Amino acid sequence: QVQLVESGGGVVQPGGSLRLSCAASGFTFSNYGMHWVRQAPGKGLECVAFIRYEGISKYYADSVKGRFTISRDNSKNTLYLLMNSLRAEDTAVYYCAKAKENIVSFPIVNWGQGTLVTVSS
Amino acid sequence: QSVLTQPPSVSAAPGQKVTISCSGSSSNIGDNYVSWYQQLPGTSPKLLIYENNKRPSGIPDRFSGSKSGTSATLGITGLQTGDEADYYCGTWDNSLSAGVFGGGTKLTVL
Repeated sequence: QVQLVESGGGVVQPGGSLRLSCAASGFTFSNYGMHWVRQAPGKGLECVAFIRYEGISKYYADSVKGRFTISRDNSKNTLYLLMNSLRAEDTAVYYCAKAKENIVSFPIVNWGQGTLVTVSS
Repeated sequence: QSVLTQPPSVSAAPGQKVTISCSGSSSNIGDNYVSWYQQLPGTSPKLLIYENNKRPSGIPDRFSGSKSGTSATLGITGLQTGDEADYYCGTWDNSLSAGVFGGGTKLTVL
């Protein structure tokens, strides 16, 4: 079955950097688009970034554009999110999520358990 | 402020029916499929409805979806206490070139 396991979350100071990873298994990773979706404490879902199957086309929320970079290594079945210039408002649970198809972002058919990122001094 | 607008909360008695609306614009719902997600307390979201009205395998037919113009609706019949959760609509926004979700609706089964 599909498994998405996030890692790399933790506490970081404002202005700092963090890299999240998502290990995927149970499906042919290189055939599907992938998302990072976040949820601030007590708040709703926010699409952070989406990357198509080939790793070339990437899309970002305005709130993270220029600060976050999504990437993937299809040889390692792993999705990444590099987060720079972190702000308090980036504090959230970050979910790795799999799209139903290779280039179309929705629907999201599988979700990881999430990793908590806390930006605080 | 979410791009897609949902009511913050809805409630109904066990066995009854409830609908949750999701309002958008021509650049998102008006031009793309809508999907719906259920998030039970303390868990990750789960896909309930995709392509406006299709149910993934394992989702009971008590859950239904529809779309008209720039709005979509999730319907739940035969409400159970286990349906208490947050529900989100989601789709792609062509103008933003990004995925967007509604703000979420908390369902209470009284």
